[in-house]
Amino acid sequence: AQKVTQAQTEISVVEKEDVTLDCVYETRDTTYYLFWYKQPPSGELVFLIRRNSFDEQNEISGRYSWNFQKSTSSFNFTITASQVVDSAVYFCALSEAEGGAQKLVFGQGTRLTINP
Amino acid sequence: DSGVTQTPKHLITATGQRVTLRCSPRSGDLSVYWYQQSLDQGLQFLIQYYNGEERAKGNILERFSAQQFPDLHSELNLSSLELGDSALYFCASSHRQGFTDTQYFGPGTRLTVL
Repeated sequence: AQKVTQAQTEISVVEKEDVTLDCVYETRDTTYYLFWYKQPPSGELVFLIRRNSFDEQNEISGRYSWNFQKSTSSFNFTITASQVVDSAVYFCALSEAEGGAQKLVFGQGTRLTINP
Repeated sequence: DSGVTQTPKHLITATGQRVTLRCSPRSGDLSVYWYQQSLDQGLQFLIQYYNGEERAKGNILERFSAQQFPDLHSELNLSSLELGDSALYFCASSHRQGFTDTQYFGPGTRLTVL
């Protein structure tokens, strides 16, 4: 069965620090997709990024960057120069294909608190 | 705003009751997914519909059922409610049904069973 592990339950940093959220996944599939979602205090789940298993290029979007390494089955997320608005729970997820359908397997989430 | 709408935002009910949660997908999306987020189980996939047909089932209890209507909106029915059913229920949608698609989530319905 597929599994996603986010070992860091909670992280607290001071504003402007860089912070990395770890994500390790397990799958037997050769083709799969990885995702990050953000859940701010308001509760909704916001899509951040999707990465397929054939694309190991790192991605940068503003202060956000993602490092995908198949060799270690990791898909880590770094926030540079963190801001208070980055405070949220962040979820890493793995897309599992099942007979042509799809379900997301989520990690337990990392609660990130950015202190002013 | 993801474009996925869910009603109601909050629902408080008693044990043994039945409730219906409603979801409207983004315009043009054919797939609807339901997830449950609880403190002890985390975010768990319940069920997927594609263009009116059930496509995948996860850890959905027999007391729970869902359907997708011709206008593509979906409803999740929860019956014989127990205290442990208290959770945040999310609906998500995607354009197609395959695992390559990105799922966009609605704001959720917070269910409290007293």
